[in-house]
Amino acid sequence: SQQGEEDPQALSIQEGENATMNCSYKTSINNLQWYRQNSGRGLVHLILIRSNEREKHSGRLRVTLDTSKKSSSLLITASRAADTASYFCATDAKKSSGDKLTFGTGTRLAVRP
Amino acid sequence: GAVVSQHPSRVICKSGTSVKIECRSLDFQATTMFWYRQFPKKSLMLMATSNEGSKATYEQGVEKDKFLINHASLTLSTLTVTSAHPEDSSFYICSAQGIPSTDTQYFGPGTRLTVL
Repeated sequence: SQQGEEDPQALSIQEGENATMNCSYKTSINNLQWYRQNSGRGLVHLILIRSNEREKHSGRLRVTLDTSKKSSSLLITASRAADTASYFCATDAKKSSGDKLTFGTGTRLAVRP
Repeated sequence: GAVVSQHPSRVICKSGTSVKIECRSLDFQATTMFWYRQFPKKSLMLMATSNEGSKATYEQGVEKDKFLINHASLTLSTLTVTSAHPEDSSFYICSAQGIPSTDTQYFGPGTRLTVL
């Protein structure tokens, strides 16, 4: 099964700085999604970008997708301490019984106040 | 937005006992529910996919007799860990997908299982 790889694995920045996380995957996708997870909690859906889209914005989030390189990036601008969390990309694999998501390894972001 | 709940949030049990975890979609109909397992500081690994009213589809390497999944209604799926052992200790997360959005999975808050 495809496995997303994210880099960096961990990122520490100062509040107000931008944070960029990258995700690479191996097979063709229909869409790619980014999720956020606070420690010991469930996942919060951030943004979905379809394979025919190249860039998408949502508030302070900007996601890009390059299907030729099989990669995506998540940019968080003007970071806040509350952005501290793990961020995962997830790609789908269509199947008759529903969409399966394959998650990347995740990036642990720490934003210092 | 779509809300998914899980119960219990945390459970500690003795080795050999069975534990049931509930996953509910509170404000939408979940035609498909997914169960994931997550080890500390690791990614989520899909265990199984369940559709309402039909048998779950398990991922390779996941024992279906050990992890029993029932999706009896459009708002409820349950995962039962049978004869739990310490190696089953993990963070179990469910997600739900359905009406109106079929592209997005909405995740529950997770259940921390500790088997002594």
